[in-house]
Amino acid sequence: AQSVTQLGSHVSVSEGALVLLRCNYSSSVPPYLFWYVQYPNQGLQLLLKYTTGATLVKGINGFEAEFKKSETSFHLTKPSAHMSDAAEYFCAVISNRDDKIIFGKGTRLHILP
Amino acid sequence: ETGVTQTPRHLVMGMTNKKSLKCEQHLGHNAMYWYKQSAKKPLELMFVYNFKEQTENNSVPSRFSPECPNSSHLFLHLHTLQPEDSALYLCASSQDAGTYLTYEQYFGPGTRLTVT
Repeated sequence: AQSVTQLGSHVSVSEGALVLLRCNYSSSVPPYLFWYVQYPNQGLQLLLKYTTGATLVKGINGFEAEFKKSETSFHLTKPSAHMSDAAEYFCAVISNRDDKIIFGKGTRLHILP
Repeated sequence: ETGVTQTPRHLVMGMTNKKSLKCEQHLGHNAMYWYKQSAKKPLELMFVYNFKEQTENNSVPSRFSPECPNSSHLFLHLHTLQPEDSALYLCASSQDAGTYLTYEQYFGPGTRLTVT
């Protein structure tokens, strides 16, 4: 069965510092991978997704993620954190075997002034 | 109104009450979804409707009863709930539910449900 693990339920970074949110997956077949963001009192919004092709994926708000098959990882990064990035981030995986979407437990990102 | 709206935004109900959650999408989509978001647990997909037909029910207890009268509206009827059902219930829509891979899901802000 496939699963998604997000390391760290809370991550704090200083404004202007690098953001790194970790996501590891397990899947018996090549996965499709997503990052969603949830701002306070709002629903989830798609940041970026990997399906096929280039393993470095660029998303909205300056975020990007790299699919590394050998490490079964899809970590989310942003070179310089902004206060408005404070939110909860969810990694998700879909197996193309059964089209089921599985979400991680989420990582809450705190930005320190 | 634009996007996906949900009402009410907050709901407190007793275990013997009957209530309904409403979701409406203004995006012209054909697929709608109910998710449950509990504290410290992964987001759980509950139901999927595609062109008004239920295509997925992820072993959800019968005390949750969905209804999709048309492609723009989705309801979740609640009765005899348990305290552990307290959660944020999110609605989403997408152009189609034929494959998650192609069509992005747009989420509503959710209904915060508390069962007392």
